[in-house]
Amino acid sequence: AQSVAQPEDQVNVAEGNPLTVKCTYSVSGNPYLFWYVQYPNRGLQFLLKYITGDNLVKGSYGFEAEFNKSQTSFHLKKPSALVSDSALYFCAVKRSGGSYIPTFGRGTSLIVHP
Amino acid sequence: NAGVTQTPKFQVLKTGQSMTLQCAQDMNHEYMSWYRQDPGMGLRLIHYSVGAGITDQGEVPNGYNVSRSTTEDFPLRLLSAAPSQTSVYFCASSYSRVGAHQPQHFGDGTRLSIL
Repeated sequence: AQSVAQPEDQVNVAEGNPLTVKCTYSVSGNPYLFWYVQYPNRGLQFLLKYITGDNLVKGSYGFEAEFNKSQTSFHLKKPSALVSDSALYFCAVKRSGGSYIPTFGRGTSLIVHP
Repeated sequence: NAGVTQTPKFQVLKTGQSMTLQCAQDMNHEYMSWYRQDPGMGLRLIHYSVGAGITDQGEVPNGYNVSRSTTEDFPLRLLSAAPSQTSVYFCASSYSRVGAHQPQHFGDGTRLSIL
């Protein structure tokens, strides 16, 4: 079985400040980890993924995520938030060598204040 | 490339009516899936397909049917609409032949209201 937890329903940050959106996962074996972003009235868009190798993964729009195997976490980060980053963010996990069906977290609403 | 196209974008139905939500992708993806998104519930998998002629149930399949006669199309049928099926429905696709590490591509959703 695999699962994802996004412990915060909402994250508030001021524009220009660093942001972190948290994700922890549970999977047997090695994980494939993903972050997606959803803007209002749109589908999810892929941001970045971790497969193997470097624990710091860089993605679209200046976002990055840090894989921590011992803490089973994959937190999404950005050094300087923009108001346009305000959106719903989803973390997802698949098991390496397993099915193609990802498990999604419930999503975290990021609000960046001007 | 159009990516994943869903039609219609909006629909209002009466209880008991049936309808088909359309999903088409032009990326030759083997894997396709349907999700529903409800406030506070995240994404819940309804049905999925790993290739033409192959479908399987997800987490919340009751009241929905799917078929996959071609690689490109994966329609979702509501057999007898109920108010509990009011939701936003998303179709997604991805490569599977090259490995499970491929991300999914999502359509922009169908917003469905059942009265």
